[in-house]
Amino acid sequence: ETGVTQTPRHLVMGMTNKKSLKCEQHLGHNAMYWYKQSAKKPLELMFVYNFKEQTENNSVPSRFSPECPNSSHLFLHLHTLQPEDSALYLCASSQAAREKALGYTFGSGTRLTVV
Amino acid sequence: AQSVTQLGSHVSVSEGALVLLRCNYSSSVPPYLFWYVQYPNQGLQLLLKYTSAATLVKGINGFEAEFKKSETSFHLTKPSAHMSDAAEYFCAVNNQGGKLIFGQGTELSVKP
Repeated sequence: ETGVTQTPRHLVMGMTNKKSLKCEQHLGHNAMYWYKQSAKKPLELMFVYNFKEQTENNSVPSRFSPECPNSSHLFLHLHTLQPEDSALYLCASSQAAREKALGYTFGSGTRLTVV
Repeated sequence: AQSVTQLGSHVSVSEGALVLLRCNYSSSVPPYLFWYVQYPNQGLQLLLKYTSAATLVKGINGFEAEFKKSETSFHLTKPSAHMSDAAEYFCAVNNQGGKLIFGQGTELSVKP
């Protein structure tokens, strides 16, 4: 399988639950990203990983915990979320940051609803 | 620092009409510029990109964009809109660190 795959596509969770979002890419990319996309709001970059190391955390609340065990996989662990965290969570990957011309490849996203 | 401004959060055209989605950028270095399209409940898909070669860039689905340095613009056009073009469109610029900076998005509606 090629491209960026995100699972699950849809997730409904209670505020006391713990769940994880998974992202997997088979493109040989070395950088991976988590974005949050809420209705009527711009894309929000949450985390950036380069060569498995976290290089950016944009003041994301600690109830979101990323994990990047290798360059092909990225997780977003969720616990004690709030209803305002309901959104489409997008994963993207790219070649190392220095390869500016190549852009990002996005997954289809996980639609998260917190009840 | 690089930034992108998309003029108009919503554009509506009739089927068969010209599509014009505006994007202006700010960059202290020669930019790399991108247009992405997002269909409902999907991720972003690359439409086209400018990487300092030809200023007129052709993409998928009949879209094209022209890089105009003097106007700091990278507007997206399509001569004849199709119903299937209805989606959200994002312009982006690559910053010096290689990170994509996205505009706010423009929602395109196509009327029959």
